[in-house]
Amino acid sequence: RKEVEQDPGPFNVPEGATVAFNCTYSNSASQSFFWYRQDCRKEPKLLMSVYSSGNEDGRFTAQLNRASQYISLLIRDSKLSDSATYLCVVNDFGNEKLTFGTGTRLTIIP
Amino acid sequence: DAGVTQSPTHLIKTRGQQVTLRCSPKSGHDTVSWYQQALGQGPQFIFQYYEEEERQRGNFPDRFSGHQFPNYSSELNVNALLLGDSALYLCASEAARSAVANTGELFFGEGSRLTVL
Repeated sequence: RKEVEQDPGPFNVPEGATVAFNCTYSNSASQSFFWYRQDCRKEPKLLMSVYSSGNEDGRFTAQLNRASQYISLLIRDSKLSDSATYLCVVNDFGNEKLTFGTGTRLTIIP
Repeated sequence: DAGVTQSPTHLIKTRGQQVTLRCSPKSGHDTVSWYQQALGQGPQFIFQYYEEEERQRGNFPDRFSGHQFPNYSSELNVNALLLGDSALYLCASEAARSAVANTGELFFGEGSRLTVL
């Protein structure tokens, strides 16, 4: 079983719609969770951290369910500029590395 | 303020050859990690360097080796190249004091795209 699993998509969503991605992780001891964004042929960049209480950054909402070991990302009022691959990322306690999922590809359609 | 810079941006090698990729971290960062991203996959951790030593290593064979210099720049070396080594190699930097576990923010370079024929 992969450490971090995501639906690779692609998700093709009309502009203005709401879209949600889920991600599951296998290590119950994982302690830190993040969403990264990667534009086509560019480097990954941190989008937001994910906290147990859930957190929001503008149109983006991230949630963590430790009991079920899944993380979600919700994008409201999607914009054309949201088209990218969204990478679910996990860090385990005492570990220097970040473990990335395969990414979910999102295309916003005009 | 320059971000993470990598060179070369693209290169083509043949099976069995050796390659060296270079990385300069973001100003103020002293820790460098290398990741391999195959097409359609997420980045996979190769290793991390801090204070010129390999601090942690991922599940990669000994053909992958690295080095960090006193100015914090780093090199990734891959020997005896295989077709499966074709990928985007990403260098990421951080300040050790910030601890990736706390902030989650790695600053990536644009990568070196390696094609092995």
